[in-house]
Amino acid sequence: DAKTTQPDSMESTEGETVHLPCSHATISGNEYIYWYRQVPLQGPEYVTHGLQQNTTNSMAFLAIASDRKSSTLILPHVSLRDAAVYHCILRVDGTGYQNFYFGKGTSLTVIP
Amino acid sequence: GPKVLQIPSHQIIDMGQMVTLNCDPVSNHLYFYWYKQILGQQMEFLVNFYNGKVMEKSKLFKDQFSVERPDGSYFTLKIQPTALEDSAVYFCASRHWDQDTQYFGPGTRLLVL
Repeated sequence: DAKTTQPDSMESTEGETVHLPCSHATISGNEYIYWYRQVPLQGPEYVTHGLQQNTTNSMAFLAIASDRKSSTLILPHVSLRDAAVYHCILRVDGTGYQNFYFGKGTSLTVIP
Repeated sequence: GPKVLQIPSHQIIDMGQMVTLNCDPVSNHLYFYWYKQILGQQMEFLVNFYNGKVMEKSKLFKDQFSVERPDGSYFTLKIQPTALEDSAVYFCASRHWDQDTQYFGPGTRLLVL
């Protein structure tokens, strides 16, 4: 079973701010939350990640709930280039390794 | 940004044959990964590899699968023999030892007939 749950699809208009939700109700205390995006015929591309605190970079703002059971990726002023499948991922660390566990992803459509 | 390359981009093979998927990771990266994505389904972790050894593998990493990176060349995933259910897109990823980000290749689309 997937460790994360996301809506299958969302739609937005160019210039709007998009909120992509992710539920990870069984997250453990040391599991990081990652977001990647993927366009057709390419591999996933890193967007952002966090553990407990909200984070921001040039691509997005990641809001993490205080109980860490959910998070929201916020994309400000989306453009057509932001159309992609957005993956919410949990990173599980073991002795000497890190593994990613993907959800099914949200397909974001951006309308001109 | 850093690029991971995968060769070939597409491969069609008859069931029972052997196939080798090649990954050229980002230079100076030491951690390597394979993932499998069946059309319409989520990406699934297969295996991670470091210092010449498999560190962890999932239940999808069947006995018919093997990985290696001989002498710093390609990081390979070999399937011998192939089965129909091995048809999928296989993604390679690599990571630097002191970074938390995995860089993914564009995938190899494998079709087993």
